[in-house]
Amino acid sequence: QKEVEQNSGPLSVPEGAIASLNCTYSDRGSQSFFWYRQYSGKSPELIMSIYSNGDKEDGRFTAQLNKASQYVSLLIRDSQPSDSATYLCAALSNFGNEKLTFGTGTRLTIIP
Amino acid sequence: KAGVTQTPRYLIKTRGQQVTLSCSPISGHRSVSWYQQTPGQGLQFLFEYFSETQRNKGNFPGRFSGRQFSNSRSEMNVSTLELGDSALYLCASSLQGGIYEQYFGPGTRLTVT
Repeated sequence: QKEVEQNSGPLSVPEGAIASLNCTYSDRGSQSFFWYRQYSGKSPELIMSIYSNGDKEDGRFTAQLNKASQYVSLLIRDSQPSDSATYLCAALSNFGNEKLTFGTGTRLTIIP
Repeated sequence: KAGVTQTPRYLIKTRGQQVTLSCSPISGHRSVSWYQQTPGQGLQFLFEYFSETQRNKGNFPGRFSGRQFSNSRSEMNVSTLELGDSALYLCASSLQGGIYEQYFGPGTRLTVT
């Protein structure tokens, strides 16, 4: 079982709709979670971080964390073609050796 | 404020050679982490340096090593290159010690032939 799992997609969403990206993690020692966006041929770009249970909103992006279910999600409202990218979920374990583990990413395509 | 810079951007090496990659973090950032990205394995953590000390390490063989200088710039070295080392090597910096909100550089594309 991979430590951080994401559906690889591709996930296709119509422009203006809500895109929902999901991520599960296996290490209960993970305390901090991050969402990165990576355009093809570019490096990852941090878009959201979340550290406690619940929702965190930043503009059109909302991150949700449920530590009991070991589940993290990212919602993108009013999806735009420029949101088309691969979204990487990452979990940071702070026990002993700090380790940031990435999922393999979900490829999102926004259809105009 | 300038972002993370990495040099060189592209590199072609032969199996058995060694290579050194360089990373300059965002000004004021003291933590530098290195990652390897391949299509099959995704992004994998190599190691993290803070105040010239390796604080955290991933599961890579000893052929992969790094160091950090007093100005926070970091280098990564790979010795005895193997074909499987072909990858995009990414450096990321963060303000505080530890691996928190990280900002990635453009990466170095290494091809081993």
